[in-house]
Amino acid sequence: QLQLQESGPGLVKPSETLSLTCTVSGGSISSSNHYWGWIRQPPGKGLEWIGSIYYSGSTYYNPSLKSRVTISVDTSKSQFSLKVNSVTAADTAVYYCASLSRTGHWYFDLWGRGTLVTVSS
Amino acid sequence: QTVVTQEPSFSVSPGGTVTLTCGLSSGSVSTSYYPSWYQQTPGQAPRTLIYGTNTRSSGVPDRFSGSILGNRAALTITGAQADDESDYYCVLYMGSGIWVFGGGTKLTVL
Repeated sequence: QLQLQESGPGLVKPSETLSLTCTVSGGSISSSNHYWGWIRQPPGKGLEWIGSIYYSGSTYYNPSLKSRVTISVDTSKSQFSLKVNSVTAADTAVYYCASLSRTGHWYFDLWGRGTLVTVSS
Repeated sequence: QTVVTQEPSFSVSPGGTVTLTCGLSSGSVSTSYYPSWYQQTPGQAPRTLIYGTNTRSSGVPDRFSGSILGNRAALTITGAQADDESDYYCVLYMGSGIWVFGGGTKLTVL
């Protein structure tokens, strides 16, 4: 069964780059049935879609974050990654990776457990 | 950017029926937006409830149903139970690979 697991530093200094990786197991990251996405949730607030990537490398980003975000994929490692540049306290959030099903219907069908990233000096 | 709107909070009695909605700041929600719904309890990752407007995800009880009501997507819980007390989020596909989540509805069962 498909599983997703986020990993990366839990603490990032202001102005630096936040880097997270999501490892896909139990299925193929090169599946034509899925895109792969990042979603975040600041403490006590709602969900925000950050961006999505296909195994081919095609990417889509939230317009409000596009200038600071890069999502990449490494099919050999069955991983996709998120980088957010020039972080501030407003980037403090639980970051989730998720699979985005494209089999007829489009929806986020599976979520990782999430990882808390705190931006603080 | 288009805003996806949800009721901030709602309350339902045990055994009662409640309908949560998901709308647009401009325009009407249709099936073309692929509305889907997610349930989240504190400290947990979201759980997929409904996708493609009205299809229940695997293992989701049939007391949860999705629909289009007027110009909004809707999530109806029929026969609410105590463990339905959660935050509920909808997300809509805006085209060009862009997704927008609603602000979420905090549902209280009491």
